[in-house]
Amino acid sequence: AQKVTQAQTEISVVEKEDVTLDCVYETRDTTYYLFWYKQPPSGELVFLIRRNSFDEQNEISGRYSWNFQKSTSSFNFTITASQVVDSAVYFCALSEARAAGNKLTFGGGTRVLVKP
Amino acid sequence: DAEITQSPRHKITETGRQVTLACHQTWNHNNMFWYRQDLGHGLRLIHYSYGVHDTNKGEVSDGYSVSRSNTEDLPLTLESAASSQTSVYFCASSDPWGEQFFGPGTRLTVL
Repeated sequence: AQKVTQAQTEISVVEKEDVTLDCVYETRDTTYYLFWYKQPPSGELVFLIRRNSFDEQNEISGRYSWNFQKSTSSFNFTITASQVVDSAVYFCALSEARAAGNKLTFGGGTRVLVKP
Repeated sequence: DAEITQSPRHKITETGRQVTLACHQTWNHNNMFWYRQDLGHGLRLIHYSYGVHDTNKGEVSDGYSVSRSNTEDLPLTLESAASSQTSVYFCASSDPWGEQFFGPGTRLTVL
């Protein structure tokens, strides 16, 4: 069975600090997809990234970066120079990949609070 | 622009009543999903559909049902609402590459 663990339930930082969110997953599939979503206080879910299991390259998008390591089954997310607008709940998710678009298994989420 | 909508956005009902939450997408996606979000559990899958007349149970399907009569809609029905079903419900549809697009959510309170 698939499982996603986000061990950090809440992280509090001061603006401009870096923050890393951990995500550890379990799956028996050899092909799978990993996702990160952001849920700001307004409640909607915002897609951030999708990564397939064959692509272990780290990715950077502005102040966001992702570190995918199959050896440790981790897909960690770092926000560099955090801003108050980064305050949100962040979810890591995993899907079977027999066909993209399959159902997601979510972690419990990490609440990030960025203080000015 | 294509979108996914949910209605109502907020609903208060009583224990034992039947409740239906609507989900409508204009992406023309085959795959649609219902999740519930509860504190400490993240989002958990209730039901999903990979096309018209296809429905499947998810992780927490007891007490819920769905039907898919067209591509655009996947209504979620609570047959007899229970207080344990107080939650925020999200509908989603996904493109062929796996990105799921979520609706704005429905906050359901069962008294």
